[in-house]
Amino acid sequence: GAVVSQHPSRVICKSGTSVKIECRSLDFQATTMFWYRQFPKQSLMLMATSNEGSKATYEQGVEKDKFLINHASLTLSTLTVTSAHPEDSSFYICSARALMNTEAFFGQGTRLTVV
Amino acid sequence: AQTVTQSQPEMSVQEAETVTLSCTYDTSESDYYLFWYKQPPSRQMILVIRQEAYKQQNATENRFSVNFQKAAKSFSLKISDSQLGDAAMYFCASALDSGAGSYQLTFGKGTKLSVIP
Repeated sequence: GAVVSQHPSRVICKSGTSVKIECRSLDFQATTMFWYRQFPKQSLMLMATSNEGSKATYEQGVEKDKFLINHASLTLSTLTVTSAHPEDSSFYICSARALMNTEAFFGQGTRLTVV
Repeated sequence: AQTVTQSQPEMSVQEAETVTLSCTYDTSESDYYLFWYKQPPSRQMILVIRQEAYKQQNATENRFSVNFQKAAKSFSLKISDSQLGDAAMYFCASALDSGAGSYQLTFGKGTKLSVIP
């Protein structure tokens, strides 16, 4: 299957700072990327959907000014958690899909801890 | 809107035995896709099996097979000859085209599968 690389795998940051998470499709063009958040022992919650070159579509309840998503190229999407607070600590996962392909490939996830 | 329900928070199976994980879904669409994903302790999401709604034949991938009952909106996963490496969280998911070819996944809450040696 296709490979999606997510970086970093773990990050600890101080409260009030911003953190950027990268999601790269290594061997295919990802026209659509999805960002999820997963709390311990819970399912994946979709945060936003981004199509290359367009603004991301955020799910209800997700603050777009806090979770900045950029999908400037067909192989890279970034999620920036701005002014992070301890309640933003979570596991963030990206997935990527090629045009008209129904299968999504997932990154390894990023564990964010805000102290 | 889609909903996916997994009614079994936890399941266990003896090694080499067979286990079935349940999943039901609700959608008003006629064209959609169904998936089972595995999430081991590493938390990497791994696709186990997929089913196109327009196909009547149940999908099979080696020891993994599904029982797709479209009228009942049921999509169960059967794992045969269970192995220790099968221990993981299993998520059932559905997808339909949310626009511009972006198939958005809706996940169930997951079933934690334990394999007993």
